[in-house]
Amino acid sequence: NAGVTQTPKFRILKIGQSMTLQCTQDMNHNYMYWYRQDPGMGLKLIYYSVGAGITDKGEVPNGYNVSRSTTEDFPLRLELAAPSQTSVYFCASTDIQVINNQPQHFGDGTRLSIL
Amino acid sequence: QQQVKQSPQSLIVQKGGISIINCAYENTAFDYFPWYQQFPGKGPALLIAIRPDVSEKKEGRFTISFNKSAKQFSLHIMDSQPGDSATYFCAASMKVPGGKLIFGQGTELSVKP
Repeated sequence: NAGVTQTPKFRILKIGQSMTLQCTQDMNHNYMYWYRQDPGMGLKLIYYSVGAGITDKGEVPNGYNVSRSTTEDFPLRLELAAPSQTSVYFCASTDIQVINNQPQHFGDGTRLSIL
Repeated sequence: QQQVKQSPQSLIVQKGGISIINCAYENTAFDYFPWYQQFPGKGPALLIAIRPDVSEKKEGRFTISFNKSAKQFSLHIMDSQPGDSATYFCAASMKVPGGKLIFGQGTELSVKP
């Protein structure tokens, strides 16, 4: 199984440009998440989705948008890139249908620099 | 109230020693406390997790100690090995809504041979 796949792995953007970070999972998980990781700050939740067609904001949603048209895919959109969005972005998924929480499975990240 | 505070920020341990990383939380509604391990260039991966009705959980060389009254939990790595060198994150979550994880700031562990 591929698990959670993120593309691209690296990207350099100019200020004001837009782009979409792709995330797909093949585990039929209903929950998906986008985090950003900055040095010394841990991971911060940007947006999450509990199923196709349902999304909600996390801790740091400003400047980002998401959509969830299928179970497998959860793209993250940056409309007007700003230097503050330079970060490493991680997508994750899990299935918490059962009583005990299940671990979130992470992709290997997209390293984004905005200059 | 949603914060998880982690310490130390970095840790250097000799091979064979014990590594200890501590976390504290504020929200008593958290019901799941995982630890994630992250190697450079990779995403975090679940290492071990505990629920608040248990005071300790051990998996091989890794042990979580949980103190519900103090709202603290810690990761102990026994017989630390150079291959354990990585960044470790504690986290906390509630199943509802959305099973969202709140992460600590991370600890960069270096195990010297």
